[in-house]
Amino acid sequence: QVQLQESGPGLVKPSGTLSLSCAVSGGSMNNWWTWVRQPPGKGLEWIAEISHSETINYNPSLKSRVTISVDKSKSQFSLELTSVTAADTAVYYCAKEVNAGPLLYMDVWGKGTTVTVSS
Amino acid sequence: QSVVTQPPSVSAAPGQRVTISCSGSNSNIGNNYVAWYQQLPGTAPKLLIYENNKRPSGIPDRFSGSKSGTSATLGITGLHTGDEADYYCGTWDDSLRAGIFGGGTKLAVL
Repeated sequence: QVQLQESGPGLVKPSGTLSLSCAVSGGSMNNWWTWVRQPPGKGLEWIAEISHSETINYNPSLKSRVTISVDKSKSQFSLELTSVTAADTAVYYCAKEVNAGPLLYMDVWGKGTTVTVSS
Repeated sequence: QSVVTQPPSVSAAPGQRVTISCSGSNSNIGNNYVAWYQQLPGTAPKLLIYENNKRPSGIPDRFSGSKSGTSATLGITGLHTGDEADYYCGTWDDSLRAGIFGGGTKLAVL
């Protein structure tokens, strides 16, 4: 069974860059992978997805600031979010995604990592 | 503001049945499958339903899903206090070319 573990700094300064990684264990990297975030007390927000062949889709509201990448040799995928503000403070989850035409769901989730944007 | 709409909260008594709605449009629910997720307090979301009405292994048949047109519904029967959680619908949006979630519904078992 695939397991996911997020890692990265818990505190980022305003206008800085948030960088997170998600380590994948127990399964193949030949899947779709995604990042989802949840601001304190709010709902889930889909950020981006990447396939094993590096097909990428971004949330239009974040597209200008987000980069998702995958490193199959290290069994991990990553997220970068630039020019962060307090509004980017959230729990960030990585997840394994099933993406096939009209079918999209996340069947394995990491535990989440809290990122706070503050000086 | 989510492009798919859920009621902020629902409640029901233990043992009863509750439904949670998810309303969208032709660019999302109307043209794509819907998934449902359960998020217990302080934990990561967990897949409950995929492909509108299928349950992953280990999810009890007290949980069910359906879709009609541009709306989807999650049903939970035999409620107990352990079902108190936030529930989210999710799907793909063809216009945004992105995944989307509903705003979430908090279930109280009173």
